[in-house]
Formats: sequence, structure tokens, C-alpha cells
Amino acid sequence: AAGVIQSPRHLIKEKRETATLKCYPIPRHDTVYWYQQGPGQDPQFLISFYEKMQSDKGSIPDRFSAQQFSDYHSELNMSSLELGDSALYFCASSRETSGSPGNEQFFGPGTRLTVL
Amino acid sequence: AQSVTQLGSHVSVSEGALVLLRCNYSSSVPPYLFWYVQYPNQGLQLLLKYTTGATLVKGINGFEAEFKKSETSFHLTKPSAHMSDAAEYFCAVRSHTGGFKTIFGAGTRLFVKA
Repeated sequence: AAGVIQSPRHLIKEKRETATLKCYPIPRHDTVYWYQQGPGQDPQFLISFYEKMQSDKGSIPDRFSAQQFSDYHSELNMSSLELGDSALYFCASSRETSGSPGNEQFFGPGTRLTVL
Repeated sequence: AQSVTQLGSHVSVSEGALVLLRCNYSSSVPPYLFWYVQYPNQGLQLLLKYTTGATLVKGINGFEAEFKKSETSFHLTKPSAHMSDAAEYFCAVRSHTGGFKTIFGAGTRLFVKA
């Protein structure tokens, strides 16, 4: 079965550079979520999109922005990178229009961002 | 606001022993509850979830969890631990209403001794 695809899997950047992470949800999933997981920490919700519109916002820094495109893939843009941005960034997707309660989020393998 | 508390950042059991990972939630209404497992350098995989109905939920790999409203708990258990169960386990909650985000607990790392 198709899973959530994230690219790149690994990314190394210098401070103050920019980075773009991509997420391709499972086909027919309409909602995408972004999470940040620091070393030894739990995933922290950043932002989500439902049907290409922002649906919820968490602890996403102003230096970060994200969008969902017409093909439902999403991109997380990160500018003015700081050392503290080094983390594993997960994308997840779900299908919210199915009408089922408690829809499961399917997680991608993550992008490991290292800021030097 | 919703929150999740996982008691014990590390749990160590012997192979074949009972696994018990504790999770308590805080929510004005019973939320949707999830347990995820994360193996090193991998994404999160759903073990099981509670939405409505039967309070004892069975998941993959022999895990199960029981939703206890009176105790606001959703503890994860497995009768007999395997070496392959060693991983990080996250309890998570999601609201019935408004927004789609999932709130994760701090995680519990399970060690399984031979």
C-alpha cells in the first residue's frame, strides 16, 4: 500500500540558510500535518492543511511557512535557519472527509534536518 | 486544553514479562486516543486507537489498551514482551471538535532484556 512520502530524507544546512521539505500524502487523503521532533522529544505539532486550506496551527515559528498544493502535496519552507531547528520533521496525512471518527494519521519516515 | 501524560520515560522488562505503559489524558470531553510506536530513525506507526464503543481495544503486535473514563487513562499492555518490542511508545489524543492536530505525550522508551 502507498505510504506518505517525504523528501529529502536527510538535509544539512548552514545557519541562516533556507530549507524546503516536501510531503506527498497517501492518495485520496485530504489532510496533511507537519510535526517537529527534537532529539529525545515527542513530536510537536506545527501546522495542518485540509483541502489546501490551513486547518490548524501549532508551535510553528514565524520563520517557517507551509502550504498544500492542488495535488495535495505539501511543502514546509524554513528560513533563517537556527541551530535549534535541527530535528526530525514528520509529515502525516489522513482522510477527514470519510466521516469516520478518530481518523488515523499515517506518518511519513521523516526528514532529518541538521543545521550547522 | 488537552494534554497527555505518560508515566515513566523509560520502562524495562524481561523478555516474556508483562508490558505496561501508562497514559493519562486531560480533556473536557473524552477525546480520541491513540498509541503509536517509533523504532529508531523511523516514523510513527499506529498500534491502536480508541474512538467509541468497546473500551478494550486490541492493536497490532499483541498490544491492547483499555479506555477508563473514570480514571482518564488509556494504558497500553502486552502479556508477553518480545525483544522486537523495544522502541519508543507515544500516547496521543485528538479532540472530537475543532482542529485536526494530535497532541503527543512525552513518550516512553521500552527496553526488553533477554
